[in-house]
Amino acid sequence: AQSVTQLDSHVSVSEGTPVLLRCNYSSSYSPSLFWYVQHPNKGLQLLLKYTSAATLVKGINGFEAEFKKSETSFHLTKPSAHMSDAAEYFCVVIQGGSQGNLIFGKGTKLSVKP
Amino acid sequence: DTGVSQDPRHKITKRGQNVTFRCDPISEHNRLYWYRQTLGQGPEFLTYFQNEAQLEKSRLLSDRFSAERPKGSFSTLEIQRTEQGDSAMYLCASSSLSGRHYNEQFFGPGTRLTVL
Repeated sequence: AQSVTQLDSHVSVSEGTPVLLRCNYSSSYSPSLFWYVQHPNKGLQLLLKYTSAATLVKGINGFEAEFKKSETSFHLTKPSAHMSDAAEYFCVVIQGGSQGNLIFGKGTKLSVKP
Repeated sequence: DTGVSQDPRHKITKRGQNVTFRCDPISEHNRLYWYRQTLGQGPEFLTYFQNEAQLEKSRLLSDRFSAERPKGSFSTLEIQRTEQGDSAMYLCASSSLSGRHYNEQFFGPGTRLTVL
């Protein structure tokens, strides 16, 4: 069965400093992985996705993630945090086969201090 | 592309009442999903449709829950005899099985249900 574990429930950074949100996955085969962001009172938005092409995936708003099979990780990074990045971030793996059901991690709340 | 829309955005009801939510997916998206999100948790899959066929239901979907997508376009999620534990955000998502955004799920803003 597929699953994801987000290692931090809350991360706090200062504006202009790097962001690292950690995610480990468990899958019996090559997974499809996603990062979604949820701003308060707004819908979930796809940041980026990995589907077995390039291991370094670039997403929107300057975010990127690297798929590391040896570490079963898919950490989300951004070189310089902006106040508008404050939100809840979810690491997601797609259910096996073609069903496409998403399995979400518990989320990491990112706070950005001025 | 108007995005996924959900109605209502908020619903307050008394325990034991029935409620129905509507989801309008992105036009021509084949698949439509329902998720439930409780406070402090990630969304959990409930059920999904491919066109009008309901192909999978989670164990979370008790017999008080029913979902339909009669013409393969909009979908409704009904909860009968609501319980306080049903209080949550109900999210709808849709995806296409073709094109650049193959199988990417686009989410609506959700319907927040409060059961008193």
